[in-house]
Amino acid sequence: QSALTQPASVSGSPGQSITISCTGTSSDVGSYNLVSWYQQHPGEAPKLMIYEGSKRPSGVSNRFSGSKSGNTASLTISGLQAEDEADYYCCSFAGSDSWVFGGGTKLTVL
Amino acid sequence: EVQLVESGGDLVQPGGSLRLSCAASGFTFSSYSMHWVRQAPEKGPVWVSRINSDGSSTSYADSVKGRFTISRDNAKNTLYLQMNSLRAEDTAVYYCARAGSGYTFDIWGQGTMVTVSS
Repeated sequence: QSALTQPASVSGSPGQSITISCTGTSSDVGSYNLVSWYQQHPGEAPKLMIYEGSKRPSGVSNRFSGSKSGNTASLTISGLQAEDEADYYCCSFAGSDSWVFGGGTKLTVL
Repeated sequence: EVQLVESGGDLVQPGGSLRLSCAASGFTFSSYSMHWVRQAPEKGPVWVSRINSDGSSTSYADSVKGRFTISRDNAKNTLYLQMNSLRAEDTAVYYCARAGSGYTFDIWGQGTMVTVSS
């Protein structure tokens, strides 16, 4: 199972919006509406931010939103804040009781 | 407070064995499937293994199949990962994670470091 493809880095200024893409295949992202997104600050564990493509867990800001089209999922962060600076990872259920993550995107808030 | 605490990480020689533990608290452990996920330095997370709530069903990534064994003791609220025939490429922080809605990992531990090196 190959890792999902994410851009290595994205950046934006406070208040702006950014979008991170996550490209998989018809065997994972394209087959299931089961993409999740995780935020990871340095030295910390990942934190669930989006699940089932577009749903937010309790406590996650509505500035975070997700979508999917075909084999590509996307995470959008609006109204960028300094604390959003982190690594972001997508993950998809890949069938046969297995999961695949993306390689990660480093978000820099300028 | 919902919490997962891993332990057991260490420096081990190639070909060696190690058992990781994950102590759960703050939720009904026996009601949830659990996962192990690892993350090599400066790399993305990689799913390793999953076990269902009563321990009767398990699954593994191809890279660890036949070498790693996931298990659980619901009486002790503890998840385990027995790792045998360790290789340099197994070097990573190992996280235990609770299976959440929508096939997610909704609660993560702080991780335990496993280094495989001679």
